[in-house]
Amino acid sequence: QKEVEQNSGPLSVPEGAIASLNCTYSDRGSQSFFWYRQYSGKSPELIMFIYSNGDKEDGRFTAQLNKASQYVSLLIRDSQPSDSATYLCAVNSNNDMRFGAGTRLTVKP
Amino acid sequence: NAGVTQTPKFRILKIGQSMTLQCTQDMNHNYMYWYRQDPGMGLKLIYYSVGAGITDKGEVPNGYNVSRSTTEDFPLRLELAAPSQTSVYFCASQVTVSTDTQYFGPGTRLTVL
Repeated sequence: QKEVEQNSGPLSVPEGAIASLNCTYSDRGSQSFFWYRQYSGKSPELIMFIYSNGDKEDGRFTAQLNKASQYVSLLIRDSQPSDSATYLCAVNSNNDMRFGAGTRLTVKP
Repeated sequence: NAGVTQTPKFRILKIGQSMTLQCTQDMNHNYMYWYRQDPGMGLKLIYYSVGAGITDKGEVPNGYNVSRSTTEDFPLRLELAAPSQTSVYFCASQVTVSTDTQYFGPGTRLTVL
């Protein structure tokens, strides 16, 4: 069974702090890894994707992948209240996209 | 471009009724997907298609059917609706599996009573 696990939260951070979101997956054959943001009542939107071990930075967001540990994380620097949302980790293995249940992030002004 | 559109936005069905959820994309994407999202949960893949005429089952296909007669359209059919199918349904499209972004539609909120 292919599983993607995330802490459900809620994770609360003050404005300007770093938010750290974590995700583990069970399928060692997974090839690509995604972070989506979903505001309440809205559809998911892609924030970042990563394929290779290491870090990938895009603006305030950094995705980290460790395939040996089957672990992927998302760091949000200088968190803003507008970052308050549910963050979904998704893992793709041969067209089989599996999502975690999401971590709810609240950024307090 | 309208992107990915879904209709209807909301629907209430009685147990045993049938309906089709419509999904259309105007980006000429080959890959299309249907997901369901239960409250407080992540998305679960129901069916996907890699091109017109080709469909395949995802993680939770039971109780659903799909077809892909054109590149643009990927309807999801519910036969004999059950309360367990109460969920929000999202359609998504992607250029190819090796590209990055799945574009999601706005979702259809379905309640089966």
